[in-house]
Amino acid sequence: DIQMTQSPSTLSASVGDRVTITCRASQNINSWLAWYQQKPGNAPKLLIYKASSLESGVPSRFSGSESGTEFTLTISSLQPPDFATYYCQQYNSYPLTFGGGTKVEIK
Amino acid sequence: EVQLVQSGAEVKKPGESLRISCKGSGYSFTNYWISWVRQMPGKGLEWMGRIDPSESKTKYSPSFEGHVTISADRSISTAYLQWSSLEASDTAMYFCARSLGGVLTGYHFDYWGLGSLVTVSS
Repeated sequence: DIQMTQSPSTLSASVGDRVTITCRASQNINSWLAWYQQKPGNAPKLLIYKASSLESGVPSRFSGSESGTEFTLTISSLQPPDFATYYCQQYNSYPLTFGGGTKVEIK
Repeated sequence: EVQLVQSGAEVKKPGESLRISCKGSGYSFTNYWISWVRQMPGKGLEWMGRIDPSESKTKYSPSFEGHVTISADRSISTAYLQWSSLEASDTAMYFCARSLGGVLTGYHFDYWGLGSLVTVSS
């Protein structure tokens, strides 16, 4: 199985901060990586696919990048609706696997 | 509008059987795969398996294979997740999610159901 190691597990930030979340794959996943946002009591929502492609309707303050097996989700200027938990997910090979999640809290 | 409408919350006893559903609308049901994702209370997301409704071909995570069954009825655009004998550890929220097929593992999950809460308790 491909392990997805996400860090940090919790992040405290203020409105307007630049936020970076990292996800490291245990082997090459050929950019087949997605980022999701989940708020309490809600289903996950797709933000980024193919490592850096922004899903339609998602604000441009969200971006994704990659360097080898390390992937990054960046929120350029944190807004109140962005306080949530974020998950990465690889879809390069079975079983599909998620990172452990990063909870973005209000500082 | 694309929607995945899941069945409601269930409370069951250990050993009982259960089938929950996920009905797709607003798109061609057989053009997309449906996956099931588990979220245990306060925990992260776990992929359980998926079905290609056009052929009813399934793929399971080894962690779940043999414990659950995924099926679909394309005539009513509905996918199912089924247990023959529930355990207390099956208590969780279960999400269905849609992905485009066409490659071995499919693509990202672009639409999700709202979830079905399953509680197993004696």
